[in-house]
Amino acid sequence: TQLLEQSPQFLSIQEGENLTVYCNSSSVFSSLQWYRQEPGEGPVLLVTVVTGGEVKKLKRLTFQFGDARKDSSLHITAAQPGDTGLYLCAGLMDSNYQLIWGAGTKLIIKP
Amino acid sequence: NAGVMQNPRHLVRRRGQEARLRCSPMKGHSHVYWYRQLPEEGLKFMVYLQKENIIDESGMPKERFSAEFPKEGPSILRIQQVVRGDSAAYFCASSPVVYSDRNTIYFGEGSWLTVV
Repeated sequence: TQLLEQSPQFLSIQEGENLTVYCNSSSVFSSLQWYRQEPGEGPVLLVTVVTGGEVKKLKRLTFQFGDARKDSSLHITAAQPGDTGLYLCAGLMDSNYQLIWGAGTKLIIKP
Repeated sequence: NAGVMQNPRHLVRRRGQEARLRCSPMKGHSHVYWYRQLPEEGLKFMVYLQKENIIDESGMPKERFSAEFPKEGPSILRIQQVVRGDSAAYFCASSPVVYSDRNTIYFGEGSWLTVV
């Protein structure tokens, strides 16, 4: 059983559409992070959210941490082919050093 | 600034052989973490080391797997008598102090192990 459930597992949409990826848990996290991973490469940190209800924006990407710090979402506006990749959420519990990972959302943006 | 360096990037081993994966942390980082990513899955914590010490190996299989981070040189993840199920991407990460919400961890590009 995954401690962090990501949905959808796979998403293929047309360029210009909007999308939201979810990361849910029944456990509380002290912080949640979103990473992007390209094939054959390591995960690259996009953002860290720490405070319940926090919203962070990175150009067309909006990240939100749930009020109860059990879930997070990533919203992409006007998706572009360059957004194609595997998006992973990961969290720390009780500020422990072990990152707990979701299984990822494979995103394909078609031109 | 060199990031976290892992080698080899790709390694093919026959069943029963040994695999050695090396990780050089970022300059000034003395905390190293190893994660494993099985196909179509997220990463799973394996082990956390500081120089010359294993701090937490709770995620590492009890048999065949070992890790070290000597005073000099890279951290090494060693897998003896590899089996097909060991085929995965192994990622190393490092941090200057113990990783928490207040700082950042940096990942290497991974070592892809294929057992044939």
